[in-house]
Amino acid sequence: EAQVTQNPRYLITVTGKKLTVTCSQNMNHEYMSWYRQDPGLGLRQIYYSMNVEVTDKGDVPEGYKVSRKEKRNFPLILESPSPNQTSLYFCASSTGAQRRYNEQFFGPGTRLTVL
Amino acid sequence: AQKVTQAQTEISVVEKEDVTLDCVYETRDTTYYLFWYKQPPSGELVFLIRRNSFDEQNEISGRYSWNFQKSTSSFNFTITASQVVDSAVYFCALSEAGNTDKLIFGTGTRLQVFP
Repeated sequence: EAQVTQNPRYLITVTGKKLTVTCSQNMNHEYMSWYRQDPGLGLRQIYYSMNVEVTDKGDVPEGYKVSRKEKRNFPLILESPSPNQTSLYFCASSTGAQRRYNEQFFGPGTRLTVL
Repeated sequence: AQKVTQAQTEISVVEKEDVTLDCVYETRDTTYYLFWYKQPPSGELVFLIRRNSFDEQNEISGRYSWNFQKSTSSFNFTITASQVVDSAVYFCALSEAGNTDKLIFGTGTRLQVFP
């Protein structure tokens, strides 16, 4: 089954304790991205990757890191989480073909609480 | 600059009422795509519809219908004879031809349908 998986699905942590949210897709997609969802703000793109070893900032990258060492995986790293990073996070992937519509496949979401 | 506005933060209706969710978008591209997603209480994002900028035909799918009007930059969503299971947050989103993999989301409309 074609899917995007995220782990963990729920996480409660404390300020400053490094954490990684994993994202994996099994569709051989080139493009992967991370969004965060906050009340009253909708979803906003954090980082994206157009291929292995190619990553770039989205609209709200501060406080996050990503890496793309393998095509299927795109982990989101919070080196020193703060309470303002409490949010619902979604990973998404697509084929990444240029100038044509590419269906976005979303993961199930990771609800992060930083105390 | 690209932007999606969902002015209705929350709507409450009684079952069997019709309800329209408004979406207004801004883009400089002549080629773009518009989307609606549903987010039920379980939190995942459920794709409902995609429309490209060259297709202004309205669409009906069961109790759901969409009205795309380029003249007013709107892409409104109507649920006919609403049901309790329609209770969710609904997001309108936009992607542009130059970067079809990035979705620009509105802030969402929370729909509550009471029995």
